Amino acid sequence: EIVLTQSPATLSLSPGERGTLSCRASQNIGRNLGWYQQTPGQAPRLLIFDASNRATGIPARFSGRGSGTDFTLTISSLEPEDFAVYYCQLRSDWPTFGHGTKVEIK
Amino acid sequence: QVQLVQSGAEVKNPGASVKVSCKTSGYTFTTYGISWIRQAPGPGQGLEWMGWISPQSGNIKYSQHLQDRLTLTTDSSTTTAYMELTSLTSDDTATYYCARDQWEQPNFFHYWGQGTLVTVSS
Repeated sequence: EIVLTQSPATLSLSPGERGTLSCRASQNIGRNLGWYQQTPGQAPRLLIFDASNRATGIPARFSGRGSGTDFTLTISSLEPEDFAVYYCQLRSDWPTFGHGTKVEIK
Repeated sequence: QVQLVQSGAEVKNPGASVKVSCKTSGYTFTTYGISWIRQAPGPGQGLEWMGWISPQSGNIKYSQHLQDRLTLTTDSSTTTAYMELTSLTSDDTATYYCARDQWEQPNFFHYWGQGTLVTVSS
């Protein structure tokens, strides 16, 4: 079973700062990785698929990169609505999610 | 626009079953699959993929963890997907989401339902 490990668990930043979130896979997964954002009381929202493609309507400040085992999600300049929990997801016959990174206001 | 609208919150006794519906609209039902994902309540609780169904092919995949208790079905006449979970325990207390998926196999989830809270308590 492939495990996704996200770090850090919590990221404390100020609005306008750059945020970098990490997701590491326990084995090579190519580019079969997506990123989601979840705010309290809401369903997750797909941000990035295939490691680096922005989903429909996602602002350009969100970018994804990586392949193989190491992936990052970067938010270039945090807006107030970006403070949320972020999950990575493996695309496979049995999808799995990382445990999440909470981006909180410093 | 694509919409997935789920049935309302449920409270169940331990040992009971629950069936959650996911009414879809805004796209051709049979050209996409549906996955179900759940999330236990409380801070730090992550997402757990439960299973996937293809209305077109009838193919189904279940999480090994839940396959003995989980049944996914669809009704193309009403463009609705259903998730039934049996032998409920307190560990099944969670918000359950349906999400539009690929028809061939699980993929990334571009559209989600609003979630259905299922509480298992005596």
